[in-house]
Amino acid sequence: SQTIHQWPATLVQPVGSPLSLECTVEGTSNPNLYWYRQAAGRGLQLLFYSVGIGQISSEVPQNLSASRPQDRQFILSSKKLLLSDSGFYLCAWSLPNQPQHFGDGTRLSIL
Amino acid sequence: GNSVTQMEGPVTLSEEAFLTINCTYTATGYPSLFWYVQYPGEGLQLLLKATKADDKGSNKGFEATYRKETTSFHLEKGSVQVSDSAVYFCALSDRGYQKVTFGTGTKLQVIP
Repeated sequence: SQTIHQWPATLVQPVGSPLSLECTVEGTSNPNLYWYRQAAGRGLQLLFYSVGIGQISSEVPQNLSASRPQDRQFILSSKKLLLSDSGFYLCAWSLPNQPQHFGDGTRLSIL
Repeated sequence: GNSVTQMEGPVTLSEEAFLTINCTYTATGYPSLFWYVQYPGEGLQLLLKATKADDKGSNKGFEATYRKETTSFHLEKGSVQVSDSAVYFCALSDRGYQKVTFGTGTKLQVIP
């Protein structure tokens, strides 16, 4: 069966520090991969999605970037975090014509 | 563009009460429709889905029917439990499922 792993589960970072969140999927090949952000008490905002290695589509211009160095690995990064980057970050995967499946999320707090 | 509108929460119900969470959508073509559930501190889990008009998705006592004439996909459950307390998201996706549009979520609190 397919599984998705996100880490870390929680992260506290100072303003201006770098960020790297990692997501991996097991049990499938060539999945579509997604990064979402969920601000407190609000809905999901799609940040990036990828349909293959090295292919990244950005939905919202901002302080973050994404990379897909391997088929089942999706990384969310920032060179310098802002206070507004705080939130709950969710990774998801899907196969063509199938619903998305989500990881357990990373709660990021910026101090 | 596509959009999903959900009723604002929070919704507070007593255990064993009937639940309805309204969801309407705007989309071109024939989207697939979903309900996801998010328990506190966790990611989203797919609760149910419907892929064409008049389909009824169901899971764990929850049901929702794809109503194309009213562009709605309301979530219902006949008797809620305390363990159903969570945030519920209505969502839609175009064919191919590459991008999903989510509603803002409705928080449900069930009290004993």
